[in-house]
Amino acid sequence: GAVVSQHPSWVICKSGTSVKIECRSLDFQATTMFWYRQFPKQSLMLMATSNEGSKATYEQGVEKDKFLINHASLTLSTLTVTSAHPEDSSFYICSAPDYPGTGPDTQYFGPGTRLTVL
Amino acid sequence: GQQVMQIPQYQHVQEGEDFTTYCNSSTTLSNIQWYKQRPGGHPVFLIQLVKSGEVKKQKRLTFQFGEAKKNSSLHITATQTTDVGTYFCAGGGNYGQNFVFGPGTRLSVLP
Repeated sequence: GAVVSQHPSWVICKSGTSVKIECRSLDFQATTMFWYRQFPKQSLMLMATSNEGSKATYEQGVEKDKFLINHASLTLSTLTVTSAHPEDSSFYICSAPDYPGTGPDTQYFGPGTRLTVL
Repeated sequence: GQQVMQIPQYQHVQEGEDFTTYCNSSTTLSNIQWYKQRPGGHPVFLIQLVKSGEVKKQKRLTFQFGEAKKNSSLHITATQTTDVGTYFCAGGGNYGQNFVFGPGTRLSVLP
């Protein structure tokens, strides 16, 4: 079945550095991908919608210049946390919907990336 | 590792009928969350259950957490066309672990 992968699965970085997280749809094309962040024991919070070939749509309160999203191809979206600070430490999850056209739509979640900023 | 399953995968109901989806975890959960995703949209948080045997209601939706904290259910009474979507459960492990999502149950409501 369809799979969404994320890389890296975990990353530790120093404050002030930038971190790039990749989200890939492995056997289907995703014109749209969603990026979430999740703090322990809390619910998923949608950060932005990544659109292939156009600008991402950010949710209210999410800094566009801090969380850079690039949807470079139909199978890859990247989230770059720029000038990361300890408060950015979180679990980042992407999801990609599969709209096959001939069957029901399905949402696939990536395994997540745990970011720790020292 | 922890696995979360949901049944059924799909459910078609006539408007006005009831609907139930079940969520089962391979391990004991610290808590469980439910999300709803409308067609073309993104998952939206519905509720979180924490206590063993807990039951919570939101209008026509009833959420239940099993006594052993390994399963949960979402029941919708008298479905409406606005209930159409995919319902995901997400199980939280112990020690502050992040949630693992179930594969979702897709609900279709025929008018």
